[in-house]
Formats: sequence, structure tokens, C-alpha cells
Amino acid sequence: GENVEQHPSTLSVQEGDSAVIKCTYSDSASNYFPWYKQELGKRPQLIIDIRSNVGEKKDQRIAVTLNKTAKHFSLHITETQPEDSAVYFCAAVDRQGAQKLVFGQGTRLTINP
Amino acid sequence: DTEVTQTPKHLVMGMTNKKSLKCEQHMGHRAMYWYKQKAKKPPELMFVYSYEKLSINESVPSRFSPECPNSSLLNLHLHALQPEDSALYLCASSLGQNTDTQYFGPGTRLTVL
Repeated sequence: GENVEQHPSTLSVQEGDSAVIKCTYSDSASNYFPWYKQELGKRPQLIIDIRSNVGEKKDQRIAVTLNKTAKHFSLHITETQPEDSAVYFCAAVDRQGAQKLVFGQGTRLTINP
Repeated sequence: DTEVTQTPKHLVMGMTNKKSLKCEQHMGHRAMYWYKQKAKKPPELMFVYSYEKLSINESVPSRFSPECPNSSLLNLHLHALQPEDSALYLCASSLGQNTDTQYFGPGTRLTVL
């Protein structure tokens, strides 16, 4: 089955700087890669996703890039703000189990004012 | 209605109790999921229902029993749980294809004494 590795486990950046979180996956047939943000005590919320027919997707300050050859994808947050502080999870669909999302271990992002 | 709802928000139960968790969505989604999330860990898939039929059971112990009475409702029946089953139980739903976004409910915080 699919395996997803996520780095770093913790990330601290100054407000206004950029943050980058990287994930690698094992199954070359995976074709859907969402990113979820989870604030303390709250539900995971989708912030952006990418499907394998595109290499990059942007939504305001958030972007995701996908490199299918290398089997990795990254989340980029620019002009970070205190409300960006949260745990971020990447995920990939396990093709052997339709609709099964396999999550990375998470990155705790702290934005310092 | 564009949200997944879950009840109760919190549940404390003894090891001999029987209780149920409830999840509801009215977005016309045809796939519904149960996840378990321990502190500082990613969500782990337990069950997937697709078109009201159980399609994935991730080798979950029989003390957890899922039920999908109709396309909008998903239950998780709990019996003879162990203290290590204490966790946040998240429900999610999606349109039904493996590249469709999964939307999470707020979760039920379960404590087993």
C-alpha cells in the first residue's frame, strides 16, 4: 500500500516569511494529493489539493507543487500570518484501496510575530 | 447544508458500556468514512462506506461496529472498549470517487475509563 513521509515535523518561521513543507509518496499510481490544516481541537480542513494531471496549483498565499517523477509534493505558504499556525497534514490516495487516504505524520507550523 | 456534523462532541464511557457515535451529512455525498486520531498523530482510516455498503474495513477490532442506515447517516457502535481506544473519532464524507475531496466533521472526543 501507499506510504507517505512528511518533513519537517516542526517548523517555526517569522511572520511574513515563507514556509515550505515536503512530502514523498511510494505508489507511482497515486493521483490525488490533498493538504489539510488542523488547528488545536478542530477538524482537519482541506486547504488545497492537486491531482496528478497538473504540476502546480495556487490559491492566494498557498501553493502546492507535484513532481510525479520524483514522487514528491510540497506545500508553500507565503507571507505567513499568525493564523497560519496549526498542524498541516499531507495525504495521498492509496490506489489499492479506493477512497483510502494515507496521511503523512504532520508538521506543526508556528508563526512567530 | 455544507458540513459534516457529529454527535456527541464528547463521550466518556466505561469498558462495559455500549454507546454509539453519529455522523450526518446532507451534501449528497455517497462515500462516508470513520477515522481515529490519537494526540499528535494523523487520522487513521477505520471504515469506508460507499453507496451505503461497507467497502473498506482496516482490520478494526469487532468492538467497533459501523452502520450506514442511509446515504446521509453513519453510525459507529461501541462495545467493550479498552482505555487505549480513547481518541478523537472523525467522520468524513466525499462524493465517492477516489480523487474526490473528503470533508471532515468536528469529531467526537472519546474517553474510555
